[in-house]
Amino acid sequence: TQLLEQSPQFLSIQEGENLTVYCNSSSVFSSLQWYRQEPGEGPVLLVTVVTGGEVKKLKRLTFQFGDARKDSSLHITAAQPGDTGLYLCAGGVIQGAQKLVFGQGTRLTINP
Amino acid sequence: ETGVTQSPTHLIKTRGQQVTLRCSSQSGHNTVSWYQQALGQGPQFIFQYYREEENGRGNFPPRFSGLQFPNYSSELNVNALELDDSALYLCASSLASGRYEQYFGPGTRLTVT
Repeated sequence: TQLLEQSPQFLSIQEGENLTVYCNSSSVFSSLQWYRQEPGEGPVLLVTVVTGGEVKKLKRLTFQFGDARKDSSLHITAAQPGDTGLYLCAGGVIQGAQKLVFGQGTRLTINP
Repeated sequence: ETGVTQSPTHLIKTRGQQVTLRCSSQSGHNTVSWYQQALGQGPQFIFQYYREEENGRGNFPPRFSGLQFPNYSSELNVNALELDDSALYLCASSLASGRYEQYFGPGTRLTVT
């Protein structure tokens, strides 16, 4: 059974600070995706990483896939109140279906 | 391009009843997956449909069943509802051609009393 552990589960910081969210597993994934979810809405895809060691940047967000494709990180530079939300990592698993295994999420609050 | 839509938005049912949730996939997508998200948790994979057949299933009992239609829309049916079935039910669509991305709808909030 594949499991993804996200840390921290809750993070509250001031506007302008930097932060990193971690997503770790003992399993290898075919892909790793990061989503952001607002209350009462579905997750919105931010990025997909596929290759071990891959780094992708989306404005102030930097995503990295571990070399062994077992872990990932999300780094936000100069956080803004608009970054507030639930961040979910999800590993892609191909077992017949191509399903996603989600971490429990990191609830991020950026205070003005 | 039309995104993933789900209906209804909210639903309240009584323990023991049956419920049907509906999903229309994103334009051009032929694969639909269903997930259950309990409060404070990440989504859990229920099952996936491709070409109108179940293409993989998570650890959910048989009272969770589904359908996919020729237009790629899908239904999730849950029989004999239990209190623990209260959750946000998410539908995600994707292309089954080796792409990894899944795009989610807004979800249906089911409350079982």
